[in-house]
Amino acid sequence: GNSVTQMEGPVTLSEEAFLTINCTYTATGYPSLFWYVQYPGEGLQLLLKATKADDKGSNKGFEATYRKETTSFHLEKGSVQVSDSAVYFCALSEYTNAGKSTFGDGTTLTVKP
Amino acid sequence: EPEVTQTPSHQVTQMGQEVILRCVPISNHLYFYWYRQILGQKVEFLVSFYNNEISEKSEIFDDQFSVERPDGSNFTLKIRSTKLEDSAMYFCASSGTGSSYNSPLHFGNGTRLTVT
Repeated sequence: GNSVTQMEGPVTLSEEAFLTINCTYTATGYPSLFWYVQYPGEGLQLLLKATKADDKGSNKGFEATYRKETTSFHLEKGSVQVSDSAVYFCALSEYTNAGKSTFGDGTTLTVKP
Repeated sequence: EPEVTQTPSHQVTQMGQEVILRCVPISNHLYFYWYRQILGQKVEFLVSFYNNEISEKSEIFDDQFSVERPDGSNFTLKIRSTKLEDSAMYFCASSGTGSSYNSPLHFGNGTRLTVT
């Protein structure tokens, strides 16, 4: 079956540091890949997505590139802010799964001033 | 921006009782979902719903669970006889013109269910 493996957290960084959160996946077909963010007390929000190999998703300074050869979709940001503190989830969805998305465990990021 | 709304935000119930969790998806969305997140664990798929029927369900979604779209706006999850292990945050989600394959999920803020 499908699975998503994320870098274990929690991750603590200072403001303006570089962020990488690793994500690798296992899928039987050709999935779409997503990063969702969850702020305290809220639901998950889409951060960015990529639907085919070599696509780069980007939003709010975050980027991730769909790497089919390494089955990865690592999240990066060049300079984090305190407001980026949240839980980040990598997820995949396959056409054949009729709408089911598979999520990673989530990585908690804390950015200190 | 349109959003998915869930009520209540927190529900406490006794073991064996029935609960109904309510959701209003985004109005022009076609696909509806329930996910749950047990504290400190990953987000798990429960069920997807399209064209007034279940399109897929997980092994978690056993006979104790049911979903319904009773009118044009609400989407409900019923747990018939709650167990302690049903305690979790339940998220409703919807997606637009396609399934979540390439149309991202829009989540509500969740209902925290506590079974005592």
